[in-house]
Amino acid sequence: RKEVEQDPGPFNVPEGATVAFNCTYSNSASQSFFWYRQDCRKEPKLLMSVYSSGNEDGRFTAQLNRASQYISLLIRDSKLSDSATYLCVVILYNNNDMRFGAGTRLTVKP
Amino acid sequence: DAGVIQSPRHEVTEMGQEVTLRCKPISGHDYLFWYRQTMMRGLELLIYFNNNVPIDDSGMPEDRFSAKMPNASFSTLKIQPSEPRDSAVYFCASSFIGGNQPQHFGDGTRLSIL
Repeated sequence: RKEVEQDPGPFNVPEGATVAFNCTYSNSASQSFFWYRQDCRKEPKLLMSVYSSGNEDGRFTAQLNRASQYISLLIRDSKLSDSATYLCVVILYNNNDMRFGAGTRLTVKP
Repeated sequence: DAGVIQSPRHEVTEMGQEVTLRCKPISGHDYLFWYRQTMMRGLELLIYFNNNVPIDDSGMPEDRFSAKMPNASFSTLKIQPSEPRDSAVYFCASSFIGGNQPQHFGDGTRLSIL
């Protein structure tokens, strides 16, 4: 089993749609979680951290479920500019070994 | 503020040649990471440094790969001799103190070995 698993997609949605991605992780000792965004032929960029209580940043909402060992990302009112690959990232406590999921590709269409 | 700076942006070379990739982390960051990304394998951590000291190099694929960090503002990743299967995008990333800080990536080096 991979340490971090994501549905690769692609997710093709119309503008204005709400879309959600899930990511599961295998190591219960994982302590920190992030969502990164990667545009085609660009570097990964931090989108948002994921906190235990869940957190929201504009149209983006991230949640963590430790019992089931998954994190989620919800994008509301999707824009064309949201088209990208979204990478789920987990790191172990006191360890800088970040493990990336393979990414979920999102395409938002007019 | 300057981000992580990598050079070169692109490198095309023939197999068997030595390849050197360079990275300047964000000033003040004390962790530096080297990653490789391919379509088949995704993003893979190769090695990371803390305060210029290599901590975990278990991701380095084989002895042909080596990495150094002679000071806090510079690191290199060398491949010698290079092979076509080394073709990938190589990213350098750095992060601030603490084990749970997000990493900031450079633009990457697109390496093609012919």
